Amino acid sequence: NAGVTQTPKFQVLKTGQSMTLQCAQDMNHNSMYWYRQDPGMGLRLIYYSASEGTTDKGEVPNGYNVSRLNKREFSLRLESAAPSQTSVYFCASRGRVRVGSIYNTGELFFGEGSRLTVL
Amino acid sequence: AQTVTQSQPEMSVQEAETVTLSCTYDTSENNYYLFWYKQPPSRQMILVIRQEAYKQQNATENRFSVNFQKAAKSFSLKISDSQLGDTAMYFCAFMLNNNDMRFGAGTRLTVKP
Repeated sequence: NAGVTQTPKFQVLKTGQSMTLQCAQDMNHNSMYWYRQDPGMGLRLIYYSASEGTTDKGEVPNGYNVSRLNKREFSLRLESAAPSQTSVYFCASRGRVRVGSIYNTGELFFGEGSRLTVL
Repeated sequence: AQTVTQSQPEMSVQEAETVTLSCTYDTSENNYYLFWYKQPPSRQMILVIRQEAYKQQNATENRFSVNFQKAAKSFSLKISDSQLGDTAMYFCAFMLNNNDMRFGAGTRLTVKP
């Protein structure tokens, strides 16, 4: 069971280059997320997709674009990379948990992270 | 906007002892979810424990338990019988239903032999 898979694991870019981080989940979750993690700042939400066909901005969306290609896949694109985008990026997905006859919000399942360095 | 505060950037504990990590949050909502995640050096984010705000009983998972004080907006994590494998960053997180999850800045916990 792969869970959440993101690629690439490592990437070095030059300022101004573009790249796309890929994310796929096999848990049939509706919601998917992209976070960035920087020292001393925890994880900050870039974009999320509550369901296939929808995307919404999070705390730090500037400089990024996303595509919810289908229910499984959610990609993050840097059109013109900047050194401030050097970070570790995490993709996550969220489902629901059944508690008796109701469904509660489930926790996030994370990919292994992608370390991006922009020179 | 919801915020999550972890006031202890770093903590240490001797193996087999108990340690408590603090977390406070701010929200005007009544229904929400709280989580503690662990991030070991492998970088993988691992769920430790979750708490639904509508539940008065504190969640427990083996050696991990929480002290959820809804009125005080406090959600601390207690680790009993600490083990070397508990060494990691610990993140407190808050989520409204069908909404994004917000994280604290994290507490780096070191378990000493």
